[in-house]
Amino acid sequence: DVKVTQSSRYLVKRTGEKVFLECVQDMDHENMFWYRQDPGLGLRLIYFSYDVKMKEKGDIPEGYSVSREKKERFSLILESASTNQTSMYLCASCVDNPYEQYFGPGTRLTVT
Amino acid sequence: GEDVEQSLFLSVREGDSSVINCTYTDSSSTYLYWYKQEPGAGLQLLTYIFSNMDMKQDQRLTVLLNKKDKHLSLRIADTQTGDSAIYFCAERTGNNRKLIWGLGTSLAVNP
Repeated sequence: DVKVTQSSRYLVKRTGEKVFLECVQDMDHENMFWYRQDPGLGLRLIYFSYDVKMKEKGDIPEGYSVSREKKERFSLILESASTNQTSMYLCASCVDNPYEQYFGPGTRLTVT
Repeated sequence: GEDVEQSLFLSVREGDSSVINCTYTDSSSTYLYWYKQEPGAGLQLLTYIFSNMDMKQDQRLTVLLNKKDKHLSLRIADTQTGDSAIYFCAERTGNNRKLIWGLGTSLAVNP
C-alpha cells in the first residue's frame, strides 16, 4: 500500500513565524504535490515537484517555497506565516502514468 | 479555460444507489479520477478511468464516461452511511502535470 505521511496533523503558529510542513512517501514516486484546501474553494495547487531538486509553481505559490532534496521527501515552507495561510494542507504523490495521486492525512495549520 | 464542475450536494437513503455527476470542458482528457474525503481526512483515491474507456466497475462503484457530452459519473450501489463524504472529480489533460479538480459533491446518506 502506498503511504504518504505528513509531519503534523495539527499545528498552531504565530504571525511572522517560519513554518515547515514535511511530507514523506514510501513508494518511490517521481511526483509530489502540495495543496491547500479551504471551504468553498476546493483544492488549490501550491507547488509540485517532478524530480529531486526540481519544482514548479502551482496556482497559488505566493508566500510559500518548497524543497525536495531527497526523492521521498517534499517540504513546504511558509517564510513568514500570515493569518490568511490558515488552512488544511494536503500532500500527495504519484507516478507519471496513470498519475493517480495518493494523499497524506493533511495538516490543519492555524496562524494566530 | 479548463474547468470541472460538480453539483455541491446529494442526499440519498441508505440502501439506494447514489449517482454523482461531473462535467468537464477540455476534450483532451487522458485520465479522469474519483476521490473520497471523509471529515478531517485526506483524499482517498476511489478509482480512475482512461479516456478511451466508457465504463469501469469495481465492486459497488461504477464509473461511466460520455466523451461526447464530456460527462463523468460515479454510481455507488447499495449506499451505506459510511459512504457519507465529499466526492471529488479530477481530470488530467494530455501529459499536463497539474490535475483540474472539481469543488466536490457532499453526499449525505440518511438511514
